[in-house]
Amino acid sequence: AQRVTQPEKLLSVFKGAPVELKCNYSYSGSPELFWYVQYSRQRLQLLLRHISRESIKGFTADLNKGETSFHLKKPFAQEEDSAMYYCALSKAAGNKLTFGGGTRVLVKP
Amino acid sequence: GAGVSQSPSNKVTEKGKDVELRCDPISGHTALYWYRQSLGQGLEFLIYFQGNSAPDKSGLPSDRFSAERTGGSVSTLTIQRTQQEDSAVYLCASSLARWDTEAFFGQGTRLTVV
Repeated sequence: AQRVTQPEKLLSVFKGAPVELKCNYSYSGSPELFWYVQYSRQRLQLLLRHISRESIKGFTADLNKGETSFHLKKPFAQEEDSAMYYCALSKAAGNKLTFGGGTRVLVKP
Repeated sequence: GAGVSQSPSNKVTEKGKDVELRCDPISGHTALYWYRQSLGQGLEFLIYFQGNSAPDKSGLPSDRFSAERTGGSVSTLTIQRTQQEDSAVYLCASSLARWDTEAFFGQGTRLTVV
């Protein structure tokens, strides 16, 4: 069965500092990886997906199949990046989303 | 509607009572998920519906929990004989029947069992 692990429950950084959220997965096939974000009092929403190879709000994520990781990075954190971030995996057959435990990011001024 | 709609937004119930939580997915979305988000915790998968396939109930924590999806659209999550540990935000999401597509979430139902 697939599994997603986010080892950090809380990341606290200063504004302008880099931030990296770790995500590791276990799945023997070729999954699709996502990052979802939940800002205060807002719905959980998609931030970015691996297949799109895009940068959203300055965030990027690289899929490393050798290390089975999909870490989320931003070179210069902003206060508005404070939120809960979830890494998620979808396998080709059945497409059920499996989420990690989430990482809360706090960007201090 | 424009997005996934859940009702009620908030529900306070007495321990031992049954509750029903409703989810209206985005029209045309064949995949529907229920998750639970407890205070300070991550997302806990409960159940997954995909088209006409048998639902994946592997995340339901006990037989007090059940869910159905009528006509491939609206879904109801039922919790019988509620316990205080059932207090959480229950989230519903829907998506197209493709593995690489985005899941859209509702605003959630905050359930408080007193």
